[in-house]
Order: sequence, then structure tokens, then C-alpha cells
Amino acid sequence: QLQLQESGPGLVKPSETLSLTCAVSGGSISSSTYHWGWIRQPPGKGLEWLGSVFYSGRAYYNPSLKSRVTVSVDTSNNQFSLKVKSVTAADTAVYYCARLGGDSEVAGFWFDPWGQGTLVTVSS
Amino acid sequence: QSVLTQPPSVSGAPGQRVTISCTGSSSNIGANYDVNWYQQLPGTAPELLIYGNINRPSGVPDRFSASQSGTSASLAITGLQAEDEADYYCQSYDSSLNGWVFGGGTKLTVL
Repeated sequence: QLQLQESGPGLVKPSETLSLTCAVSGGSISSSTYHWGWIRQPPGKGLEWLGSVFYSGRAYYNPSLKSRVTVSVDTSNNQFSLKVKSVTAADTAVYYCARLGGDSEVAGFWFDPWGQGTLVTVSS
Repeated sequence: QSVLTQPPSVSGAPGQRVTISCTGSSSNIGANYDVNWYQQLPGTAPELLIYGNINRPSGVPDRFSASQSGTSASLAITGLQAEDEADYYCQSYDSSLNGWVFGGGTKLTVL
């Protein structure tokens, strides 16, 4: 059974870079069938897709955050990562990683399974 | 505001039927991109509830069903149970944004 686990600092200072890693177990991140994504949820609010990456390194980003977000894949360690630079208090959220897959084209993909999420607070 | 619009809350008594709407536009649901639904129980990560507009993953009760028409989609829950109390999110793809989008979420309260 595929499992994903987020890890990284729970507290980041304003203007610094938020860095998280998602470890994948029970399956290979190098599968040509799936993409790997990051989603966040500010306290008490809804879900926001941040970016996704294919094992080849090809990445897709939310246009509203594209200039600050980088998603990368590390196939040797079966994990993928998220970086958000120049963070502010508005970046405080629970960050989830998830596998992105589906039956046919990428646009039809869904997120499953999800990691348990990790809370990142931006504060000095 | 979210690209996909959901009502903030719905409620129903045990045993009743409730529906949750998800309204998009011609660049997402209206462009025939599939709609997926997620259930988020309090304090937990979202879980896939419906994929490909109408399909249930194994383990999801058939009390949950969904449909899609035009620029909207809908999730229906019949035989409402206390354990269904959760937040529900719709998700699709948007060709204008070239990315995946979520609805703002709907909180279901079982009275």
C-alpha cells in the first residue's frame, strides 16, 4: 500500500524559504503512470494546489504562486520536495503531499493517496 | 475565492439525503474535465471519495454518488449518518490556469 510522509521544519521565519520533503513508500516514484503533488490548507480554510512533478522532473505550478514555488523529484531516494521562497504569514498552512494519477490524460488526474500533512507556521 | 464554487455548508438529519453542488466554468468542468470529490474528516487529511465524475474507490459506500452536467457537478449522500459529518471538496482541471483546482469546500453537519 502506497504511503506518503511529509517532513520539514514546522516554523519558518518571514522572508525565508520553506522546504518540505515527501517520502514515498510502498511504490516507486519513478512510475510513468503518476505525478506527485503538493497541496496546502491554511487554518480553517480550503485546499490549494501548489505544484506537481513527474519523475522526469517536468513540473507544473499554480500560476498564483509560480514565481515562489519549486517542486523537484529525487528518484534515488524515492521522494519529492517543495520549496516556497520569500514566505509571509499568509503561507502558514498544513502542507500535504499526494500522488496524482488517473485513467488517461493528466488533466483528468486525481489526488490519491495523501500524506497526513504537516503544519508550517511562518513567524519570527 | 476558489475557481470552483461550493456552498459553505449543508446539513441534514440522519437518514436523509443531501446534495453538494460544485459550479465551475467553460475552462474547467464545462470543458469536460473530470470532477473528483474528497472527504476530509475533522483533523485528518482529505481522502478520495469520487473520481472520474461518478466512480467510487473501493471501500466507499454506495450511499455516496456524484454527477456532472454542463459547468456543474453534484455530490449526493443518501441515508445520512453521523460519521458523514466532514468537509467535502470538489476538484477538477482548469485549462486557463493549466493546473488543478479545488472548490472552497462544504461543511456537512448531521443534525
